[in-house]
Amino acid sequence: DAEITQSPRHKITETGRQVTLACHQTWNHNNMFWYRQDLGHGLRLIHYSYGVQDTNKGEVSDGYSVSRSNTEDLPLTLESAASSQTSVYFCASSEAGTDTQYFGPGTRLTVL
Amino acid sequence: GQNIDQPTEMTATEGAIVQINCTYQTSGFNGLFWYQQHAGEAPTFLSYNVLDGLEEKGRFSSFLSRSKGYSYLLLKELQMKDSASYLCAVRDPTGGGNKLTFGTGTQLKVEL
Repeated sequence: DAEITQSPRHKITETGRQVTLACHQTWNHNNMFWYRQDLGHGLRLIHYSYGVQDTNKGEVSDGYSVSRSNTEDLPLTLESAASSQTSVYFCASSEAGTDTQYFGPGTRLTVL
Repeated sequence: GQNIDQPTEMTATEGAIVQINCTYQTSGFNGLFWYQQHAGEAPTFLSYNVLDGLEEKGRFSSFLSRSKGYSYLLLKELQMKDSASYLCAVRDPTGGGNKLTFGTGTQLKVEL
C-alpha cells in the first residue's frame, strides 16, 4: 500500500547542531509540505514543494530549509537547532489538482 | 491575512450529537477541510467543503456558508473513540497553490 513515512520518530539533539528529518511518500504526489505543531498554535506551515526542484517558504521558515531532488522525498533540515524548534513535525503530501493532504506519523524533536 | 477561530475544548456525552464551529477570515477562499487528530497521532482527513451546504458522510457531516465565513462539523451518535482534536483548515489560493491554514483545533472529550 502507498504511504507516507517519517524518520526518525523521536530525536533529541543539542543546541547548534544540524538536524535533518526525513519524509518519504510512495503515492507519487507532486505536492509535499512540512508543518510544526505546538500547543496553542496548531499546525503551522514551514516549507512546501509542488514538484522536483521546487521549494517555497511557509509562515515559519526561519532556521529551516528543504530540498526536493525527487518526487518521493522532502527532507527538512534545521541548520543550527535552537530550543525554540522543539516541536512535533509533520510531513504531508497531496496530489496535484486536489487539496486533500495526507499526513505522516510525525517526528517529535527535542532540542536541549 | 488569515484568521481561523475554533473553540478550544468541548465535552459531550456518548450517544449524543455535538457541533464544532469554525469561523474564518482569509484573504482568499477555495475550500475548507476538517481533520481529526487523536493524541500522539497524525491528522486524518474527514471532510471537504467548497460550496455552500451540508456534506454528509456517515456519522459525520460538515456545513459551509461562504458568505458568513462559517463552517461546522456535526458528529452524531458519539462514541468514546471520537474523543480527539478536530482541526479546521482553509485553502487560500492567494499566491497560487494548495496551501492550507489551520485553526488551533477543538479538543473534544466524549464522556459516559
